[in-house]
Amino acid sequence: DTEVTQTPKHLVMGMTNKKSLKCEQHMGHRAMYWYKQKAKKPPELMFVYSYEKLSINESVPSRFSPECPNSSLLNLHLHALQPEDSALYLCASSPRVTYNEQFFGPGTRLTVL
Amino acid sequence: GQQLNQSPQSMFIQEGEDVSMNCTSSSIFNTWLWYKQDPGEGPVLLIALYKAGELTSNGRLTAQFGITRKDSFLNISASIPSDVGIYFCAGQYSGAGSYQLTFGKGTKLSVIP
Repeated sequence: DTEVTQTPKHLVMGMTNKKSLKCEQHMGHRAMYWYKQKAKKPPELMFVYSYEKLSINESVPSRFSPECPNSSLLNLHLHALQPEDSALYLCASSPRVTYNEQFFGPGTRLTVL
Repeated sequence: GQQLNQSPQSMFIQEGEDVSMNCTSSSIFNTWLWYKQDPGEGPVLLIALYKAGELTSNGRLTAQFGITRKDSFLNISASIPSDVGIYFCAGQYSGAGSYQLTFGKGTKLSVIP
C-alpha cells in the first residue's frame, strides 16, 4: 500500500463550526506532515510529526490543532476559522524526517464561509 | 532561509516536443525531489535525487542533481497531453537539525495537441 488517503475530499464550513480533517497511511512511515496550499502557490508547511510527536509547528494559529493518535493516522482539528483559511490542505508522509521522500495525499479542499 | 528559484514559471509547448525546467538555490541541498500536481489533487512524486551529479530517469522523465548541489533540472521528452500540470522542485538540507522541504514556485506546463 503506497497511498496516503485524506477525508473528506471537500469541506464547507462556517466560521463558528468545528470540523476535522483526517489522513491515513499504511506505509510504515514515521513522519507525517500537514501543508496548506493556496491557488497557484507551492505547499506551505504547517506541522510535522515525528514518531507521533509534534516536532515542528510553523507558527500556525491555534484555530488549527493537529493530533497524531497513532503512527498511521493524522488529524487536523479546525475551529473558528476565517475565510482566508480557505485552501487545499495536504497531508504527506515520509519514512522519517531525515529521509524526506514525502508522499502526498489528494488533499481536502476547504471553503470557509 | 533557503530559497529556490524555479524557471520557467510557465510554458506552452506542442505535443511531441521536449521540455526542460530547472531549479537553482543560493544554498546547497542534500536531496532534490520533483513533483507533478494536477488541479485539485496532491503533488505526486516523480523523481528523487540524493547524490551530487546523479542522473535519474523515470520513463520519459530525466532529472539531474547538480554537481554544486545548488541546482537540479527536469527534462520531459516527447510530451503528451497528460503531461499538463504544475511541476514543483523541492530541496532538503539536512543540517542544523532542519529537515524540511523547500519548494520552488512551480512551472505550469501546457501542451498543445
